[in-house]
Amino acid sequence: SYVLTQPPSVSVAPGKTAKISCAGSNIGGRNVHWYQQIPGQAPVLVIYDDSVRPSGIPDRFSTSNSVKTATLTISRVEVGDEADYYCQVSDTVSGSDQFVVFGGGTRLTVL
Amino acid sequence: QVQMVQSEAEVKKPGASVTVSCKASGFTLTSYGVSWVRQAPGQGLEWMGGITFYNGKSKYAQKLQDRVTLTTDTSTSTAYMELRSLISDDTATYYCARVFSDSSGWHFDLWGRGTLVTVSS
Repeated sequence: SYVLTQPPSVSVAPGKTAKISCAGSNIGGRNVHWYQQIPGQAPVLVIYDDSVRPSGIPDRFSTSNSVKTATLTISRVEVGDEADYYCQVSDTVSGSDQFVVFGGGTRLTVL
Repeated sequence: QVQMVQSEAEVKKPGASVTVSCKASGFTLTSYGVSWVRQAPGQGLEWMGGITFYNGKSKYAQKLQDRVTLTTDTSTSTAYMELRSLISDDTATYYCARVFSDSSGWHFDLWGRGTLVTVSS
């Protein structure tokens, strides 16, 4: 089954830029979605279809993709950005045992 | 208000079944789909399965497909997730999420607040 690999943790100072990676085989050929989960709350979609921000998500959130890695970039990090971030793709290969795949999640700590 | 309202927390014994409900409010559920994602304490997100209404198809995670049944009552815009033969590892928060589906797959643009299911003897 398809696997997405994220670093367990990323730390950044307020006002700086955080980068969270999501690695997978030929991930550049898939639509990648990103979710933010503040501790104790439900996940929230922050990026879909590689680079689209839903209404209400600030433009401090952006992405970049290569063949093997998708990266979520949070600019001018705020204390309120401290959360777990998950990448997600769909494994549309016929016979896949897991149609929706999440990365293991990255805890963003704002120092 | 556009939201997905889930049922309250449950405590179940091993071997029992649990049904979690999720009612769509402020939008037409059949215009989208609904999926279920669970999260064990301190762990990541695990997709369980989902239904899209435009084609009436459901998909399940192979790991759970023998124990999970997803249903919907379109008359009340309510989705249900039944999990059978519960074990302690099923202790988790169960989320329903609205599915946006296209040719590249699914993503989830609206989530319920979650339902904690505790399996304990």
